[in-house]
Amino acid sequence: DAGITQSPRHKVTETGTPVTLRCHQTENHRYMYWYRQDPGHGLRLIHYSYGVKDTDKGEVSDGYSVSRSKTEDFLLTLESATSSQTSVYFCAIRPGTGANNEQFFGPGTRLTVL
Amino acid sequence: AQSVTQPDIHITVSEGASLELRCNYSYGATPYLFWYVQSPGQGLQLLLKYFSGDTLVQGIKGFEAEFKRSQSSFNLRKPSVHWSDAAEYFCAVGATDNFNKFYFGSGTKLNVKP
Repeated sequence: DAGITQSPRHKVTETGTPVTLRCHQTENHRYMYWYRQDPGHGLRLIHYSYGVKDTDKGEVSDGYSVSRSKTEDFLLTLESATSSQTSVYFCAIRPGTGANNEQFFGPGTRLTVL
Repeated sequence: AQSVTQPDIHITVSEGASLELRCNYSYGATPYLFWYVQSPGQGLQLLLKYFSGDTLVQGIKGFEAEFKRSQSSFNLRKPSVHWSDAAEYFCAVGATDNFNKFYFGSGTKLNVKP
């Protein structure tokens, strides 16, 4: 158990509404990640963070923003949700600082945008 | 550009039979390689990883994988499948120039026949 929780676990919202997903970790790891999982695509990186207030874009960052004001929390925001953002969202952490450290994943949040 | 291909979307094997799941990658150098497993409704769990050294790596739950540089492959194997192995399996590549970037294959869903 990597001590990662995600909230909410399920959410249904309407097109055009803002949505914020939270990832919380208990072990003070520096690196945190947000992915989305869609059938036929595996997991794709949205944004990642390498420290408090330090974030960078992944391969599918359009329409998403992130914030990290505390080590333990990494927030993903959809400013104006669209149906194409219906997906399962996973948070991950990477312990340590070396390249050869794997990522550990949270339980996921299923988001449906109507 | 980096890419990961898992050519088999679905595989069905009988319990007790051997298993091989294929993974091919496209990357300029030898990447870091991972296999993850995802049970329905769950997050991803790391099965094994390869960074360097012995090209045959052992993982949890009796799985192993072999890195073949000449074929750009990292296939996952298990000599005798159990019903509890039914899940979706993802191969992933970690970039060596930015170790925050993971690239996932689209996954292989394994069904196990009694």
